[in-house]
Amino acid sequence: SQTIHQWPATLVQPVGSPLSLECTVEGTSNPNLYWYRQAAGRGLQLLFYSVGIGQISSEVPQNLSASRPQDRQFILSSKKLLLSDSGFYLCAWTGGGTYEQYFGPGTRLTVT
Amino acid sequence: GENVEQHPSTLSVQEGDSAVIKCTYSDSASNYFPWYKQELGKRPQLIIDIRSNVGEKKDQRIAVTLNKTAKHFSLHITETQPEDSAVYFCAASNTGNQFYFGTGTSLTVIP
Repeated sequence: SQTIHQWPATLVQPVGSPLSLECTVEGTSNPNLYWYRQAAGRGLQLLFYSVGIGQISSEVPQNLSASRPQDRQFILSSKKLLLSDSGFYLCAWTGGGTYEQYFGPGTRLTVT
Repeated sequence: GENVEQHPSTLSVQEGDSAVIKCTYSDSASNYFPWYKQELGKRPQLIIDIRSNVGEKKDQRIAVTLNKTAKHFSLHITETQPEDSAVYFCAASNTGNQFYFGTGTSLTVIP
């Protein structure tokens, strides 16, 4: 069966520091991968999605970037965090010939 | 692009009553409509979905209906229980690549 991992689970970072969040999927090949952000008490904002290695689509211009160095690995980065980057970051995947999208456990980021 | 609107934003029901959450979408090319349940501090969980070639789908106490002509779909929960309390999100997709989410409904089931 398929499993999606995210780490770290929680992170507290000062304003202006860099960020790297990692997501990996097991048990499937060539998945579509997604990064969402959820502010406290709010909905899901799609940040990036990828249909293959090196293929990244950005939905919202901001100080974040994404990379997909391997088929089942998706990384979210920032060079300098802003206070507004605080939130719950969720990785998700679809694949296997279905549209069903499944979420990882998330990373709770607090920028201080 | 697609725009998904969800109502109501909050909903309180007595245990045992039914709950209905409604979503509308704008892109007639959308053909896949999932619903997610998110408990506090946890990831969204897929609870039911429907494709555009189907008008209704049921799974025990949960059902989803789709009206393609009117571009709206609804989640129905019958015989609600306290453990149904959560935030529910609808979404729409037309390719399985991009998903557009509603703003969420916070459901509270009062024992």
